[in-house]
Amino acid sequence: EVQLVESGGGLVKPGGSLRLSCAASGFTITNAWVSWVRQFPGKGLEWVARIKSKTSGETTDYTASVKDRFTISRDDSKNTVYLQMNSLKIEDTAVYYCLGTWLDPWGQGTLVTVSS
Amino acid sequence: DIVMTQTPLSLSVTPGQSASMSCKSSQSLLQSDGKTYLYWYLQKPGQPPQILIYEVSNRFSGVPDRFSGSGSGTDFTLNISRVEAEDVGVYYCLQTKQLPRTFGQGTKVDIK
Repeated sequence: EVQLVESGGGLVKPGGSLRLSCAASGFTITNAWVSWVRQFPGKGLEWVARIKSKTSGETTDYTASVKDRFTISRDDSKNTVYLQMNSLKIEDTAVYYCLGTWLDPWGQGTLVTVSS
Repeated sequence: DIVMTQTPLSLSVTPGQSASMSCKSSQSLLQSDGKTYLYWYLQKPGQPPQILIYEVSNRFSGVPDRFSGSGSGTDFTLNISRVEAEDVGVYYCLQTKQLPRTFGQGTKVDIK
């Protein structure tokens, strides 16, 4: 079964850092463009970042609110995409999901809580 | 950024009746390739979102045919005919025409 599984969430203080992982199983992510999407406690959804495949230049894009704080990267040898989150703010509290395409099944996500 | 506006924010439906919800975008979602990149998702209680409709009107595999999407340009509609209890949840639209991808705020559907 094609699946992306998120991990790495947790409780962190404002200003802290976390690294989320998105591990693929059942397929290789080599040609996949992978996005992170987050869902806030009030249930709104926000696209966070995207990384293209190596053959497409491994270009990265971010939503404005996380630019310069978050970094998306990939390690195709580990079949995994990462989201490094620095300078975390309370408003980054959300469940974070990763997706290969918009037709993919969503995983359970990983909860990031930023609180003092 | 393209702003996606969904109405109504909530909807209470009698089982067996139909339901309709709207999603309007601040810019046309028609891409130069001729496709319109508008998706509909349903998030059932306690679950992550699941895809219902892609490119305005294409039902995803396994989605019941009582769900249908329509529209063009900036105005889109999701219709549910013969609503069932399992259809409760929040429906979101999403545009992927341009970055940043943006979601509507959701329409919550419950059963009367």
